[in-house]
Amino acid sequence: SAVISQKPSRDICQRGTSLTIQCQVDSQVTMMFWYRQQPGQSLTLIATANQGSEATYESGFVIDKFPISRPNLTFSTLTVSNMSPEDSSIYLCSVERQGPDTQYFGPGTRLTVL
Amino acid sequence: LAKTTQPISMDSYEGQEVNITCSHNNIATNDYITWYQQFPSQGPRFIIQGYKTKVTNEVASLFIPADRKSSTLSLPRVSLSDTAVYYCLVGDVRSGGSYIPTFGRGTSLIVHP
Repeated sequence: SAVISQKPSRDICQRGTSLTIQCQVDSQVTMMFWYRQQPGQSLTLIATANQGSEATYESGFVIDKFPISRPNLTFSTLTVSNMSPEDSSIYLCSVERQGPDTQYFGPGTRLTVL
Repeated sequence: LAKTTQPISMDSYEGQEVNITCSHNNIATNDYITWYQQFPSQGPRFIIQGYKTKVTNEVASLFIPADRKSSTLSLPRVSLSDTAVYYCLVGDVRSGGSYIPTFGRGTSLIVHP
């Protein structure tokens, strides 16, 4: 199994600022994924991050708002830029698991924007 | 992408068996059925996955009828710690072979003393 950690676990930020969330995996993985979970809602995929290439964003999410880095096979960052209160959510990273095909999720970063 | 439908919420009591049914009428031939559990302030955790008939592990059982248009997650003798949201997911292997789960609303299970 994969062990995933995220930093910070939570933060309270002012509108207009940016926050970078880190995701660290204890093993090398090809693909990492970033999700958003708004209060009381289900998870929505933001983007898929491959090492050494541009992230692939889902409909409704853009690179200028959610830039992603993937410098190596165990690490990724997601930046929430120019934040507004609507960005208040839990942000989760995940990695693939095979056999069965599923995903491991990190503990999430709870972001509150004032 | 096969859409799933499951009850929004369920209530149970400690020691009871809980069955959560998920409908997935448009399931494709190659789709697997996967269930996740999510506790408050945590990421979802894989519970069980199956393709047909019955699958059992140390946490739960998954019952899938022959037509595969529904599935039932069975939690034996629930405890207070089983209070969580349970998600049923079907398929969604994207191009390139990566499995990317698409989450629906989930079922909020509350276990009472």
